[in-house]
Amino acid sequence: EAQVTQNPRYLITVTGKKLTVTCSQNMNHEYMSWYRQDPGLGLRQIYYSMNVEVTDKGDVPEGYKVSRKEKRNFPLILESPSPNQTSLYFCASWTGYEQYFGPGTRLTVT
Amino acid sequence: GQQVMQIPQYQHVQEGEDFTTYCNSSTTLSNIQWYKQRPGGHPVFLIQLVKSGEVKKQKRLTFQFGEAKKNSSLHITATQTTDVGTYFCAGPCDTGNQFYFGTGTSLTVIP
Repeated sequence: EAQVTQNPRYLITVTGKKLTVTCSQNMNHEYMSWYRQDPGLGLRQIYYSMNVEVTDKGDVPEGYKVSRKEKRNFPLILESPSPNQTSLYFCASWTGYEQYFGPGTRLTVT
Repeated sequence: GQQVMQIPQYQHVQEGEDFTTYCNSSTTLSNIQWYKQRPGGHPVFLIQLVKSGEVKKQKRLTFQFGEAKKNSSLHITATQTTDVGTYFCAGPCDTGNQFYFGTGTSLTVIP
């Protein structure tokens, strides 16, 4: 089954404690992306990757890091989370036509 | 930066009524995509429009892409409770690498 998986699905953490949200796709897509979703703001792109070792900033990259060492994986790293990064995060991969989204990770930073 | 706005932000309709959401971009889009997100779920791709003035239909859903390729609309005829969710438009920037999503329209259907 074609899918994008994310882990964890829910995470509560404290300010400054480094965390990683994993994302994996099994469709061999070259393009992958991270979004955050906040009420009234829709989805905003954080980072995207056109291929292995190729990443670029989206609209809201501050406070986030990504890496793309393998085609299937695209982890999102928050090195020093802050409360304003409390949000719903989605990973997606793109066929060039449609984007497939993961189930989402709800992050709360206290 | 590029902005994509949608109106209305919320819409409540009686089951059987029609529904329309409008998407407006500050810049020309090479294509426009529409997604539906059920409550508690993730966005799911509905359709992509590419040509100026293009109209596509999926059963009760009609999608339009404006002549100037800066606006789009989604119209649902005779809404059903299964149509509940948030509808997003999305388009790539000029280089086609970065995506901009609209602010979304949340549809509630009252049985």
